[in-house]
Amino acid sequence: QSALTQPASVSGSPGQSITISCTGTSSDVGGYNYVSWYQQHPGKAPKLMIYDVTNRPSGVSNRFSGSKSDNTASLTISGLQSEDEADYYCSSLTRNTALVFGGGTRLTVL
Amino acid sequence: QLQLQESGPGLVKPSETLSLTCTVSGGSISGSTYYWGWIRQPPGKGLEWIASIYNIWSSYYNPSLKSRVTISIDTSKNQFSLKLNSVTAADTAVYYCARHGPVLNAIRTFDYWGQGTLVTVSS
Repeated sequence: QSALTQPASVSGSPGQSITISCTGTSSDVGGYNYVSWYQQHPGKAPKLMIYDVTNRPSGVSNRFSGSKSDNTASLTISGLQSEDEADYYCSSLTRNTALVFGGGTRLTVL
Repeated sequence: QLQLQESGPGLVKPSETLSLTCTVSGGSISGSTYYWGWIRQPPGKGLEWIASIYNIWSSYYNPSLKSRVTISIDTSKNQFSLKLNSVTAADTAVYYCARHGPVLNAIRTFDYWGQGTLVTVSS
C-alpha cells in the first residue's frame, strides 16, 4: 500500500484559513468515509483532530473541519492561531483492512 | 482518563528482535470493545501503522511488515505487545501504542496515544 499524498508544507497568517489536501485512491480515501486527521507538535504524540472525514472528537476546536471529494480529503483550519503550527497527517482505512497514513504536512503560521 | 505507556529496550542489535509492551491504565482492555495498535515514526519522517489487535482471534497487520511482526494481548496485565524480528537500521523509529477509537470495534482511527518510545537499531 502506498502512502497518501499530502503537500509537504502550507503556511498562513493568523486569522486566515488554510486547507491541507490528502489524495489517495478508490481503494482507500475514495472508497470509504474513514479518513482521519492528526496534529503533531514537535516531540509529542499525534492528536486526533478529525475522524470519519468530518467528525470532531470532544474538545477539538470547531475551527478544524474536514471534507472529502472523490479520492481527495481535506482539512481546513479557520481563524489560524500560532498554536496551530504543527505537522498534520491524514490516514485512511484501505480495501484490505489496513491503515495508511499520508506523508505529513508542516503548517507554518507566519 | 485513559493512559498508555510504551516500554522496552531503547537499543536493539541488527538481525535481533524488537520487543515492546504497552501498558494501559485508567481503563480495562479486558471486555473492551476497542482495538489496540502500534504505529512508528522514523526520525524526521512520517507515521506508519504497524499492527492492531482486538483479542487473540482478531488482529490486522501492515502488509509490508506482516512477515516480521507479531502483536499479542494480555488482558490479565492490561497490556498488549509488539515483536518485530530481523530488525535493521530502517526500523529505527519512535514507536507509539494507541487505542482505536472513538468508534467501537473498528480500526480506522486512533484517539488515545502513548508518549512514544525511541528504539534505535545499531550494533
